[in-house]
Amino acid sequence: GAGVSQSPRYKVAKRGQDVALRCDPISGHVSLFWYQQALGQGPEFLTYFQNEAQLDKSGLPSDRFFAERPEGSVSTLKIQRTQQEDSAVYLCASTLSGANTGELFFGEGSRLTVL
Amino acid sequence: GQQLNQSPQSMFIQEGEDVSMNCTSSSIFNTWLWYKQDPGEGPVLLIALYKAGELTSNGRLTAQFGITRKDSFLNISASIPSDVGIYFCAGHVMDTGRRALTFGSGTRLQVQP
Repeated sequence: GAGVSQSPRYKVAKRGQDVALRCDPISGHVSLFWYQQALGQGPEFLTYFQNEAQLDKSGLPSDRFFAERPEGSVSTLKIQRTQQEDSAVYLCASTLSGANTGELFFGEGSRLTVL
Repeated sequence: GQQLNQSPQSMFIQEGEDVSMNCTSSSIFNTWLWYKQDPGEGPVLLIALYKAGELTSNGRLTAQFGITRKDSFLNISASIPSDVGIYFCAGHVMDTGRRALTFGSGTRLQVQP
Protein backbone atom coordinates (compact mmCIF):
# COMPACT_ATOMS: atom_id res chain seq x y z
CA GLY A 1 0.00 0.00 0.00
CA ALA A 2 0.88 3.65 -0.19
CA GLY A 3 1.44 4.10 3.51
CA VAL A 4 1.78 2.26 6.80
CA SER A 5 -1.53 0.61 7.64
CA GLN A 6 -2.59 -0.35 11.15
CA SER A 7 -5.55 -2.30 12.42
CA PRO A 8 -7.75 -2.11 14.29
CA ARG A 9 -7.93 1.68 14.51
CA TYR A 10 -9.82 1.41 17.80
CA LYS A 11 -9.90 -1.39 20.31
CA VAL A 12 -11.74 -1.54 23.62
CA ALA A 13 -10.69 -4.37 25.92
CA LYS A 14 -11.72 -5.43 29.37
CA ARG A 15 -8.91 -5.60 31.88
CA GLY A 16 -7.27 -8.98 31.68
CA GLN A 17 -8.07 -9.61 28.01
CA ASP A 18 -5.37 -10.23 25.41
CA VAL A 19 -5.17 -7.95 22.37
CA ALA A 20 -3.32 -8.11 19.07
CA LEU A 21 -2.50 -5.06 16.97
CA ARG A 22 -1.42 -5.40 13.36
CA CYS A 23 0.92 -3.29 11.26
CA ASP A 24 1.39 -3.44 7.48
CA PRO A 25 4.51 -1.40 6.69
CA ILE A 26 5.19 0.29 3.39
CA SER A 27 6.04 -2.40 0.86
CA GLY A 28 9.75 -3.16 0.79
CA HIS A 29 10.58 -1.29 3.98
CA VAL A 30 13.24 -3.14 5.92
CA SER A 31 12.91 -1.48 9.31
CA LEU A 32 9.78 -1.51 11.46
CA PHE A 33 9.19 0.20 14.80
CA TRP A 34 6.47 0.18 17.45
CA TYR A 35 5.88 3.23 19.65
CA GLN A 36 3.42 3.82 22.47
CA GLN A 37 1.81 7.25 22.81
CA ALA A 38 -0.05 8.09 26.00
CA LEU A 39 -2.60 10.89 25.99
CA GLY A 40 -0.93 14.27 25.79
CA GLN A 41 2.57 12.81 25.44
CA GLY A 42 5.07 12.14 22.73
CA PRO A 43 5.58 8.66 21.34
CA GLU A 44 7.81 6.31 23.34
CA PHE A 45 9.86 3.58 21.72
CA LEU A 46 8.81 -0.02 22.28
CA THR A 47 10.67 -2.23 19.83
CA TYR A 48 12.50 -2.39 16.48
CA PHE A 49 12.75 -4.99 13.71
CA GLN A 50 15.12 -5.20 10.79
CA ASN A 51 13.45 -7.62 8.42
CA GLU A 52 12.31 -10.49 10.65
CA ALA A 53 14.92 -9.94 13.33
CA GLN A 54 13.90 -8.11 16.48
CA LEU A 55 17.06 -6.13 17.17
CA ASP A 56 15.89 -3.96 20.04
CA LYS A 57 13.06 -4.64 22.48
CA SER A 58 14.38 -2.49 25.28
CA GLY A 59 11.25 -0.29 25.33
CA LEU A 60 8.72 -3.04 25.99
CA PRO A 61 7.32 -2.16 29.41
CA SER A 62 6.75 -5.68 30.68
CA ASP A 63 6.77 -9.32 29.65
CA ARG A 64 3.07 -8.95 28.85
CA PHE A 65 4.13 -7.16 25.66
CA PHE A 66 5.32 -9.25 22.74
CA ALA A 67 6.00 -8.32 19.11
CA GLU A 68 6.78 -10.39 16.07
CA ARG A 69 7.46 -9.98 12.37
CA PRO A 70 7.88 -13.58 11.19
CA GLU A 71 8.25 -12.96 7.45
CA GLY A 72 9.85 -9.56 7.55
CA SER A 73 6.77 -7.64 6.46
CA VAL A 74 3.60 -7.58 8.58
CA SER A 75 4.13 -7.18 12.32
CA THR A 76 1.88 -7.91 15.28
CA LEU A 77 2.11 -6.36 18.74
CA LYS A 78 0.44 -8.54 21.34
CA ILE A 79 -0.46 -7.42 24.84
CA GLN A 80 -1.45 -10.12 27.28
CA ARG A 81 -3.63 -9.62 30.36
CA THR A 82 -4.22 -5.96 29.55
CA GLN A 83 -4.14 -3.40 32.35
CA GLN A 84 -5.64 0.08 32.45
CA GLU A 85 -2.21 1.64 32.16
CA ASP A 86 -1.86 -0.02 28.75
CA SER A 87 -4.46 2.42 27.37
CA ALA A 88 -2.67 4.42 24.70
CA VAL A 89 -2.24 4.86 20.97
CA TYR A 90 0.15 2.29 19.53
CA LEU A 91 2.00 3.64 16.52
CA CYS A 92 3.82 1.59 13.94
CA ALA A 93 6.49 3.14 11.71
CA SER A 94 8.72 1.89 8.93
CA THR A 95 11.75 2.99 6.93
CA LEU A 96 13.13 1.75 3.64
CA SER A 97 16.57 0.71 4.80
CA GLY A 98 18.35 -0.40 7.93
CA ALA A 99 20.27 2.86 7.89
CA ASN A 100 19.93 4.69 11.13
CA THR A 101 18.52 8.06 10.08
CA GLY A 102 15.50 8.44 12.35
CA GLU A 103 13.29 9.43 9.39
CA LEU A 104 10.20 7.35 10.05
CA PHE A 105 6.91 6.89 8.20
CA PHE A 106 4.18 6.42 10.80
CA GLY A 107 0.81 4.74 10.53
CA GLU A 108 -2.36 6.28 11.94
CA GLY A 109 -2.10 4.24 15.11
CA SER A 110 -4.30 1.83 17.01
CA ARG A 111 -6.06 3.41 19.97
CA LEU A 112 -6.40 0.91 22.82
CA THR A 113 -8.76 1.58 25.70
CA VAL A 114 -8.69 -0.85 28.61
CA LEU A 115 -11.72 -0.70 30.90
CA GLY B 1 17.20 7.86 30.42
CA GLN B 2 17.28 10.53 27.78
CA GLN B 3 14.65 13.26 28.05
CA LEU B 4 13.71 16.13 25.80
CA ASN B 5 12.22 19.32 27.20
CA GLN B 6 10.01 20.96 24.63
CA SER B 7 8.54 24.44 24.98
CA PRO B 8 6.14 26.02 24.91
CA GLN B 9 3.55 23.38 25.70
CA SER B 10 0.92 25.24 23.71
CA MET B 11 0.52 28.35 21.60
CA PHE B 12 -2.51 30.26 20.37
CA ILE B 13 -1.67 32.71 17.61
CA GLN B 14 -3.30 34.77 14.89
CA GLU B 15 -3.03 33.75 11.26
CA GLY B 16 -0.01 35.40 9.67
CA GLU B 17 2.10 35.46 12.83
CA ASP B 18 5.46 33.76 13.11
CA VAL B 19 5.96 30.91 15.58
CA SER B 20 9.01 29.61 17.39
CA MET B 21 9.37 26.48 19.50
CA ASN B 22 12.41 24.74 20.91
CA CYS B 23 13.71 21.59 22.42
CA THR B 24 16.56 20.97 24.85
CA SER B 25 18.19 17.82 26.08
CA SER B 26 20.58 16.75 28.80
CA SER B 27 22.16 14.35 26.31
CA ILE B 28 23.88 14.81 22.98
CA PHE B 29 22.06 13.70 19.85
CA ASN B 30 23.50 13.04 16.40
CA THR B 31 20.26 13.86 14.65
CA TRP B 32 17.38 16.18 15.44
CA LEU B 33 14.01 15.77 13.75
CA TRP B 34 10.75 17.69 13.84
CA TYR B 35 7.42 15.92 13.32
CA LYS B 36 3.84 17.22 13.11
CA GLN B 37 0.85 15.22 14.28
CA ASP B 38 -2.74 15.99 13.33
CA PRO B 39 -5.64 14.60 15.44
CA GLY B 40 -6.19 10.90 14.80
CA GLU B 41 -3.10 10.63 12.64
CA GLY B 42 0.46 9.48 13.05
CA PRO B 43 3.36 11.95 13.17
CA VAL B 44 4.67 13.20 9.83
CA LEU B 45 8.30 14.21 9.36
CA LEU B 46 8.83 17.92 8.64
CA ILE B 47 12.58 18.45 8.86
CA ALA B 48 15.66 16.36 9.70
CA LEU B 49 18.97 17.87 10.85
CA TYR B 50 22.23 15.93 10.81
CA LYS B 51 25.06 18.33 11.66
CA ALA B 52 25.66 20.59 14.63
CA GLY B 53 24.99 24.18 13.62
CA GLU B 54 22.98 23.13 10.58
CA LEU B 55 20.13 25.45 9.56
CA THR B 56 17.55 23.89 7.24
CA SER B 57 14.41 25.28 5.63
CA ASN B 58 11.38 23.55 4.18
CA GLY B 59 8.99 26.14 2.78
CA ARG B 60 7.80 28.30 5.68
CA LEU B 61 9.58 26.07 8.19
CA THR B 62 13.13 26.66 9.42
CA ALA B 63 14.93 24.48 11.93
CA GLN B 64 18.38 24.55 13.47
CA PHE B 65 20.56 21.93 15.10
CA GLY B 66 22.21 23.56 18.11
CA ILE B 67 25.99 23.80 18.16
CA THR B 68 26.18 21.88 21.46
CA ARG B 69 24.05 19.09 19.91
CA LYS B 70 21.74 19.37 22.90
CA ASP B 71 19.08 21.64 21.45
CA SER B 72 17.06 22.54 18.37
CA PHE B 73 14.45 25.06 17.39
CA LEU B 74 11.70 25.20 14.80
CA ASN B 75 10.30 28.40 13.33
CA ILE B 76 7.14 28.70 11.28
CA SER B 77 6.71 31.92 9.34
CA ALA B 78 3.41 33.50 8.29
CA SER B 79 1.24 30.85 9.97
CA ILE B 80 -1.90 29.58 8.26
CA PRO B 81 -4.87 27.63 9.69
CA SER B 82 -3.56 24.28 8.40
CA ASP B 83 -0.49 24.70 10.62
CA VAL B 84 -2.73 23.67 13.52
CA GLY B 85 -1.51 20.50 15.19
CA ILE B 86 1.03 19.15 17.63
CA TYR B 87 4.72 19.57 16.83
CA PHE B 88 7.21 17.10 18.27
CA CYS B 89 10.95 17.32 18.36
CA ALA B 90 12.84 14.04 18.35
CA GLY B 91 16.46 13.19 18.94
CA HIS B 92 18.39 10.28 17.59
CA VAL B 93 21.71 8.75 18.58
CA MET B 94 23.33 6.76 15.81
CA ASP B 95 25.26 4.31 17.91
CA THR B 96 25.46 0.66 17.08
CA GLY B 97 22.22 -1.23 17.62
CA ARG B 98 20.30 1.76 18.92
CA ARG B 99 17.43 2.78 16.68
CA ALA B 100 15.02 4.45 19.09
CA LEU B 101 13.93 8.04 18.68
CA THR B 102 13.41 10.08 21.86
CA PHE B 103 10.45 12.42 21.49
CA GLY B 104 9.59 15.61 23.32
CA SER B 105 6.15 16.04 24.85
CA GLY B 106 4.96 18.29 22.03
CA THR B 107 3.90 21.86 21.34
CA ARG B 108 0.20 22.25 20.57
CA LEU B 109 -0.33 25.03 18.03
CA GLN B 110 -3.66 26.70 17.43
CA VAL B 111 -4.09 29.33 14.72
CA GLN B 112 -6.94 31.81 14.77
CA PRO B 113 -8.04 32.72 11.21
